Amino acid sequence: GAGVSQTPSNKVTEKGKYVELRCDPISGHTALYWYRQSLGQGPEFLIYFQGTGAADDSGLPNDRFFAVRPEGSVSTLKIQRTERGDSAVYLCASSLDPDGNNEQFFGPGTRLTVL
Amino acid sequence: AQSVTQLGSHVSVSEGALVLLRCNYSSSVPPYLFWYVQYPNQGLQLLLKYTSAATLVKGINGFEAEFKKSETSFHLTKPSAHMSDAAEYFCAVSMEYGNKLVFGAGTILRVKS
Repeated sequence: GAGVSQTPSNKVTEKGKYVELRCDPISGHTALYWYRQSLGQGPEFLIYFQGTGAADDSGLPNDRFFAVRPEGSVSTLKIQRTERGDSAVYLCASSLDPDGNNEQFFGPGTRLTVL
Repeated sequence: AQSVTQLGSHVSVSEGALVLLRCNYSSSVPPYLFWYVQYPNQGLQLLLKYTSAATLVKGINGFEAEFKKSETSFHLTKPSAHMSDAAEYFCAVSMEYGNKLVFGAGTILRVKS
């Protein structure tokens, strides 16, 4: 079966612009996670969804970042008024449910570059 | 807050030599522990996980890790390195329902022929 997919694979934008990053999780996975990986660092948690609702958004750095999952499947991470510091690889992962025992399956990521 | 420390941002071994990648976590309660591998231009792939069933965990590609509560460690080992093991390895911890992963900074493994 298909794994987690993310589009676009690369996104270059100018400072101040708005961007949307898309994640298609594995079918049937109820939990979906967003992480951000800056150069030379490990992934950092941003937000996770259980179904349609954001169960934990404590990792979102500020109110320019927002994510939705309206039908409990595809999720979109939205960044307003992008800044150069937002440049990173944005990773999406999904798991069967949020139990800590379950493996998270990661997508290939979207590399965002803000000029 | 939980944290994960990976000692050594770069490790270099010869082909056939022992691989040892170190990971320490900060928690007084045994957490869920994971090792992920990231090959160039690919997504993170789970190598193995500890979920309290056994302290010695075997994963894919000949890797294993031992959970040592007294040392708060979960070091990754492989008896004999192969060229295909060259990649970046991440240790991660999760404590609660919700499965939010906290990652270490990663260790890049280089295998010399």
